[in-house]
Amino acid sequence: AQSVTQPDIHITVSEGASLELRCNYSYGATPYLFWYVQSPGQGLQLLLKYFSGDTLVQGIKGFEAEFKRSQSSFNLRKPSVHWSDAAEYFCAVGALLNTGKLIFGQGTTLQVKP
Amino acid sequence: GAVVSQHPSWVICKSGTSVKIECRSLDFQATTMFWYRQFPKQSLMLMATSNEGSKATYEQGVEKDKFLINHASLTLSTLTVTSAHPEDSSFYICSATLTGSSEQYFGPGTRLTVT
Repeated sequence: AQSVTQPDIHITVSEGASLELRCNYSYGATPYLFWYVQSPGQGLQLLLKYFSGDTLVQGIKGFEAEFKRSQSSFNLRKPSVHWSDAAEYFCAVGALLNTGKLIFGQGTTLQVKP
Repeated sequence: GAVVSQHPSWVICKSGTSVKIECRSLDFQATTMFWYRQFPKQSLMLMATSNEGSKATYEQGVEKDKFLINHASLTLSTLTVTSAHPEDSSFYICSATLTGSSEQYFGPGTRLTVT
């Protein structure tokens, strides 16, 4: 069965520090992978996605993620965090080709210290 | 582009009443829409997949008679919570996909509080 695990429930980093949010997936075929961000009381905004090709993908707001098939991981990174990055981050995997269904991880809450 | 709206953004209703939530794709035609439920500090749980002109497909454990989904056009899907109870209080989020796409565009969510 497909699943997504975000091992870190809560992460606190200082503003200006680098960030890495972990995501591991279980999927039988080549996955479609996504990272979304959610501000309190808001919907989800797509940060980046991986479908195929270059395993290092660039997203909005200075985020990037690297797909590592051997580790079944799709970790999200940012070299320098801004206070406005404080939010909830969700990793998701496309469950079945062309159905559009997504399976979400549990989410990671990012807190940014001034 | 690819904007999805929801209405209302928040609603309070009394126990036993029904409430309808609308999900609209504003600048594209969405053949498929999804409805999610999110409890505080938790992830999104897929409730159902809605395809235009056909019956929704509900996930296991979701009561289809309680959560009525209608997808009457390529730009509108509605979720009606019937005979709402306090345990139905939650954040409901819809999303929509373009034909042939695996990317979902999310609405801003609707906060439902049942008193």
